Amino acid sequence: GESVGLHLPTLSVQEGDNSIINCAYSNSASDYFIWYKQESGKGPQFIIDIRSNMDKRQGQRVTVLLNKTVKHLSLQIAATQPGDSAVYFCAERRAQKLVFGQGTRLTINP
Amino acid sequence: DVKVTQSSRYLVKRTGEKVFLECVQDMDHENMFWYRQDPGLGLRLIYFSYDVKMKEKGDIPEGYSVSREKKERFSLILESASTNQTSMYLCASQRNTGELFFGEGSRLTVL
Repeated sequence: GESVGLHLPTLSVQEGDNSIINCAYSNSASDYFIWYKQESGKGPQFIIDIRSNMDKRQGQRVTVLLNKTVKHLSLQIAATQPGDSAVYFCAERRAQKLVFGQGTRLTINP
Repeated sequence: DVKVTQSSRYLVKRTGEKVFLECVQDMDHENMFWYRQDPGLGLRLIYFSYDVKMKEKGDIPEGYSVSREKKERFSLILESASTNQTSMYLCASQRNTGELFFGEGSRLTVL
């Protein structure tokens, strides 16, 4: 069936390095994608979004890349900080609903 | 500032009890959602609502019902709680652009 998935369930990076979190989606009709960050004990928080007519979007220390040819989405976090430790979810919009991936846990090594 | 408020952060209930989870948003959004979140299963959609008194089943509606009497309030009801409904429940409202705003979550334990 169709799904939104992630390549790795966990990712460890050194503080100060760049982090790249990947996501695969299977519905080529999806027109909108979002990345969420969820810290322990809290609800998911919006990080950045991208529409299907774009292939790159930048925010503060974050960049989302969209490759529609291979149905792949990535989140890049520059100069990773301890406060970036969280679970990161990608989501794709199908009709009015958002379908979420499983999540990747990002841990930061000092 | 955008705000979605869930009435209870932590609840402990017994099997067979009726459970109400309340959610209020202050953004005048039309669309609201209830998800449950379980380890290894991610976020799964239970019910959603596009307008007052309207509701649609999500992917896992069994054992749940919802109520949307006012635009700002969306309630999730467990008519007879069971242990397999122990979970984190997340409410969200949706901006026209598609972005969801989540509450802090309600962690329910059913004994």
